[in-house]
Amino acid sequence: KQEVTQIPAALSVPEGENLVLNCSFTDSAIYNLQWFRQDPGKGLTSLLLIQSSQREQTSGRLNASLDKSSGRSTLYIAASQPGDSATYLCAVRRGGNKLTFGTGTQLKVEL
Amino acid sequence: EAGVAQSPRYKIIEKRQSVAFWCNPISGHATLYWYQQILGQGPKLLIQFQNNGVVDDSQLPKDRFSAERLKGVDSTLKIQPAKLEDSAVYLCASSPDRSGYGYTFGSGTRLTVV
Repeated sequence: KQEVTQIPAALSVPEGENLVLNCSFTDSAIYNLQWFRQDPGKGLTSLLLIQSSQREQTSGRLNASLDKSSGRSTLYIAASQPGDSATYLCAVRRGGNKLTFGTGTQLKVEL
Repeated sequence: EAGVAQSPRYKIIEKRQSVAFWCNPISGHATLYWYQQILGQGPKLLIQFQNNGVVDDSQLPKDRFSAERLKGVDSTLKIQPAKLEDSAVYLCASSPDRSGYGYTFGSGTRLTVV
């Protein structure tokens, strides 16, 4: 059974700091990995999707890496802003498009 | 492009009562998903439809939960009777294919069972 773990569970940083969120999964036989953002009372917004054959993906200030063999992914956020405050979830996808989610990292960026 | 629509946004019911949630996916998306997100946890897949057929319902508590997707478009998720542990946010998502691209979530229905 696939298990996805995210560390840390919560993180508070001052504005402008670079930060790294971690995600680990137990079964490396994945199709791809996806990072989502969830704002309070809202649904999930897809940030980045990394195929199993890729090592990283970038979008603006976000960079996600994937090491499938070790079962790890990181989400790097550069020059954090208060608007980045949210819960970040990683999810792995196997066949059938079913996602298995981690428990999330709650990020707060302070002025 | 309109997003995934869900209603109601909030619902409070007493235990043993029944409740239903509605989802309208993005037009043209063949696959529809219902997830349950308990406070402090990641979403857990309850059921996945491909058009109007069920692809995966392995984690759906079938003694109390049911779901249908009529005509391969809108979907309804029902709980009867509700238990306290069903308190959660119920998220609907849809996708055009199995790649992961275009996978879109609705805002969810927050259910509180008292």
